[in-house]
Amino acid sequence: NAGVTQTPKFQVLKTGQSMTLQCAQDMNHNSMYWYRQDPGMGLRLIYYSASEGTTDKGEVPNGYNVSRLNKREFSLRLESAAPSQTSVYFCASSAAPTYYGYTFGSGTRLTVV
Amino acid sequence: TQLLEQSPQFLSIQEGENLTVYCNSSSVFSSLQWYRQEPGEGPVLLVTVVTGGEVKKLKRLTFQFGDARKDSSLHITAAQPGDTGLYLCAGPFGSSNTGKLIFGQGTTLQVKP
Repeated sequence: NAGVTQTPKFQVLKTGQSMTLQCAQDMNHNSMYWYRQDPGMGLRLIYYSASEGTTDKGEVPNGYNVSRLNKREFSLRLESAAPSQTSVYFCASSAAPTYYGYTFGSGTRLTVV
Repeated sequence: TQLLEQSPQFLSIQEGENLTVYCNSSSVFSSLQWYRQEPGEGPVLLVTVVTGGEVKKLKRLTFQFGDARKDSSLHITAAQPGDTGLYLCAGPFGSSNTGKLIFGQGTTLQVKP
């Protein structure tokens, strides 16, 4: 099925460990996004890539880095995980313009202990 | 800073009842979107409203965009248990070619059989 695939689905990290969340889309979308979702706070933008070869910070970028590997793939890296990064992470993609909306992956539930 | 505020945050009703969810802002948006999210999954786009005063219907769901394009509402007629989920409104922010969306904090709807 066409869509956005995220891996892993669940992860537990110890404080200070690093990890990369993977995201791939097969809809030939130009734009890709990483959001985190916390209770009562909706979805907050971490980083985005408006097109292949470009990335930029969103609302809450501290502690994260991203790589737009090619048009299909957009990864999110936590270099030194902190308990405050415990959250559910969603990758999304969209065709321009925004009118067409996002297609989201099913999320990665990350716990940092 | 553009913000979207949703009300109510939680709603628990009986099957067959009607309900309305609101999404308000002090800023003008070029469009607003509504998503529904089920547990363990990513949000799924329901509708995009673009024109001030626009009304769109999706079966028992009616979406309205305010005349001034600062607010939107979602009305569900004769709610069913399958309508249970988290409802999110979202609007574009920043440069129009980035596709960035800002999300409200969400309304959790529980429909009891």
